Amino acid sequence: QQPVQSPQAVILREGEDAVINCSSSKALYSVHWYRQKHGEAPVFLMILLKGGEQKGHEKISASFNEKKQQSSLYLTASQLSYSGTYFCGTERRSGGGADGLTFGKGTHLIIQP
Amino acid sequence: DVKVTQSSRYLVKRTGEKVFLECVQDMDHENMFWYRQDPGLGLRLIYFSYDVKMKEKGDIPEGYSVSREKKERFSLILESASTNQTSMYLCASSPSNIQYFGAGTRLSVL
Repeated sequence: QQPVQSPQAVILREGEDAVINCSSSKALYSVHWYRQKHGEAPVFLMILLKGGEQKGHEKISASFNEKKQQSSLYLTASQLSYSGTYFCGTERRSGGGADGLTFGKGTHLIIQP
Repeated sequence: DVKVTQSSRYLVKRTGEKVFLECVQDMDHENMFWYRQDPGLGLRLIYFSYDVKMKEKGDIPEGYSVSREKKERFSLILESASTNQTSMYLCASSPSNIQYFGAGTRLSVL
């Protein structure tokens, strides 16, 4: 089952904050976040592991609540370069992603000057 | 830098043709994957391989097969292309849990 991402799309002004949510109906071992700019390959941002660990990447951070089977991606003081589509991915089995990920449908983020 | 190279950015094929999509990685990764990406559906896993000659079905394997004769190369095969296989195909490789994607092949089946 694909994880559910919300919102589907968001438009921000440069400097504003955004939150992207990812929830799953099944137990999660970890949550992976990727960003894809238009016409480019998806690029890894971070992995969130069991235990509610929070990770950061530039001004992008994320949390993982395994009990609620949810993860949230936080973009602080957004920059034009943050525009793109954000995908969360969950492990298909408990193999650490070695047997592939199940991705959400994506959240389109547009940052305007 | 990890490099995952897909042989074609754009391909146009006719219904019923046999189509080969090629992917090569240069980092000696054990795991390789094929996904297809469609608007509004995200990325969906077709097949993956964790070793040479080893392959496993992903979530949407119907109509596809794969080949991995060498560690660095993973091929996706459409035995008889159909119009519903028109899509963007993304290859990825991974040493463990981070996936490195190629730029994609946009396949149109007419």
